[in-house]
Amino acid sequence: DAGVIQSPRHEVTEMGQEVTLRCKPISGHNSLFWYRQTMMRGLELLIYFNNNVPIDDSGMPEDRFSAKMPNASFSTLKIQPSEPRDSAVYFCASTPGGIGPAGVGYNEQFFGPGTRLTVL
Amino acid sequence: AQKVTQAQTEISVVEKEDVTLDCVYETRDTTYYLFWYKQPPSGELVFLIRRNSFDEQNEISGRYSWNFQKSTSSFNFTITASQVVDSAVYFCALSGQGAQKLVFGQGTRLTINP
Repeated sequence: DAGVIQSPRHEVTEMGQEVTLRCKPISGHNSLFWYRQTMMRGLELLIYFNNNVPIDDSGMPEDRFSAKMPNASFSTLKIQPSEPRDSAVYFCASTPGGIGPAGVGYNEQFFGPGTRLTVL
Repeated sequence: AQKVTQAQTEISVVEKEDVTLDCVYETRDTTYYLFWYKQPPSGELVFLIRRNSFDEQNEISGRYSWNFQKSTSSFNFTITASQVVDSAVYFCALSGQGAQKLVFGQGTRLTINP
């Protein structure tokens, strides 16, 4: 079975340009997560979706970032305009979803290979 | 607020030594899940284990073992007879009540030298 698929794997762009990162979750998974990883801040959750609906976007840095999930098999993370401080590895992850005892999410998340973004 | 602390930023050992990676967490939730992930040099994040707050049994999987102690809010990871292929960054994470999102520690970079 295919894992989480992300594209592109590498993106180099100039400041001010629009960047779109793409993710295809594992088929049948109903929760999708976008993370950003930097040396300074580690792994940060940006936003996550349940059944294509955004649940928590409190980690989205600012209005320049937006994410959509138009259907169960596709999500995008867009940065417009991009800035050098957006340079990072962006991961997408999916999980079968489901809530365990007392409303706690218990499924492990399966991560894609990441997109390494460099903004010059 | 929930927090995961991995105090060891970097560890370096010689092959075949045993090594323990520490993880301390904070949560007010009575029900929660703890996870360990491995990030090898290739960059992907690989799931290793999940443990729920009601199950304090230690777990062993080959050379890997995990020690969950609720009394000290710790979920430590031990690699026995380490190998060069174990070199990676290891992350501990927490999932609390009412949400599916994971809170990650800062990670421990483990280097196994031949």
